[in-house]
Amino acid sequence: DSGVTQTPKHLITATGQRVTLRCSPRSGDLSVYWYQQSLDQGLQFLIQYYNGEERAKGNILERFSAQQFPDLHSELNLSSLELGDSALYFCASSIESEHTEAFFGQGTRLTVV
Amino acid sequence: ELKVEQNPLFLSMQEGKNYTIYCNYSTTSDRLYWYRQDPGKSLESLFVLLSNGAVKQEGRLMASLDTKARLSTLHITAAVHDLSATYFCAAYGKGAQKLVFGQGTRLTINP
Repeated sequence: DSGVTQTPKHLITATGQRVTLRCSPRSGDLSVYWYQQSLDQGLQFLIQYYNGEERAKGNILERFSAQQFPDLHSELNLSSLELGDSALYFCASSIESEHTEAFFGQGTRLTVV
Repeated sequence: ELKVEQNPLFLSMQEGKNYTIYCNYSTTSDRLYWYRQDPGKSLESLFVLLSNGAVKQEGRLMASLDTKARLSTLHITAAVHDLSATYFCAAYGKGAQKLVFGQGTRLTINP
């Protein structure tokens, strides 16, 4: 157990809908990272928050957004969902802002039907 | 832009044999990570390599980093079935402040 908690574990939703994925980092970690893993794109970095502020942005679509709250948990919001958004979404956390060592959660498997 | 390439992408080997997975990256990176992923599971951190010439070993796995060649290797010694998994390397792009992953190497170890 990495100490990073993601909910829900599985999510099935219809195209056009909006979902929220939640991540609680390890105790003491200030950085949260979101990744998307799909068969065709592999593992891709989406976005990073450090102590409540956006720190780095990757290949995140405009339909997706994230935030990190004062208690350091983070949410990834995916809207206007398309079939191609079906993927495993991972959250990782680390103490520092520069990804020295990050620990991954179990992931949320999103299926868009 | 930092790109990371692994090879081979698929590797089937027999128990007891040795093999190496290669990870090349395209631009300067000051750290290299190796992860293991079992099917449908999360990524487990194996090694973090922070400097040129770094070598780390854990059990039957040994990782090394050559920053001049922009190459990291994951060597498997006397493979056992339990090592069957997908192995990812990832390089940290300091400019972009993100971890860039390779495609993964699916390793199958047959009895």
